[in-house]
Amino acid sequence: QKEVEQNSGPLSVPEGAIASLNCTYSDRGSQSFFWYRQYSGKSPELIMSIYSNGDKEDGRFTAQLNKASQYVSLLIRDSQPSDSATYLCAVKAWDRDDKIIFGKGTRLHILP
Amino acid sequence: DVKVTQSSRYLVKRTGEKVFLECVQDMDHENMFWYRQDPGLGLRLIYFSYDVKMKEKGDIPEGYSVSREKKERFSLILESASTNQTSMYLCASTSQAGGSETQYFGPGTRLLVL
Repeated sequence: QKEVEQNSGPLSVPEGAIASLNCTYSDRGSQSFFWYRQYSGKSPELIMSIYSNGDKEDGRFTAQLNKASQYVSLLIRDSQPSDSATYLCAVKAWDRDDKIIFGKGTRLHILP
Repeated sequence: DVKVTQSSRYLVKRTGEKVFLECVQDMDHENMFWYRQDPGLGLRLIYFSYDVKMKEKGDIPEGYSVSREKKERFSLILESASTNQTSMYLCASTSQAGGSETQYFGPGTRLLVL
């Protein structure tokens, strides 16, 4: 059973600080990694994807991947109240089966 | 602009009713998915489809069926609704072209079964 694990939170971070969200996965064959943001009552939206070891930066967001440790993280710099949401980690293996496995999500609360 | 639409945002049905949830995407995507999302359980895959007329079971297909007669439309059917099918239902689609693996989600249908 392929699994993606996240701390459910809530994770409370002061406005302007760095929020760090973590995710581990069980399938060593996973090749694609995604972070989705989901506001309460809304559907998930993709904010970052990463495919190779290291860091990938996009604005205030940085995704970090370590395949050896089966670990992926998302850093949010200069956290804003609008970043308050649930963040879903998702992984996918390179096979014909196009399923993406989602974690249960981490609730992030930015304190004004 | 990418668009996935779902037929209803909110739906109330009675136990035993047959329920149809419709999903339409305008991106010419090959792959379409149906999930349900429940507090504490996350997103769970019900069924998915790689192409017209094709369907594959996900992790929790029991009590559900699907139909994909046209590429842009993927329907989820609850043959006989039960109270434990009260949930948020999310449709998504992805393209196999160009290495894009982004799943685009519809707005969701919140279903209440009484």
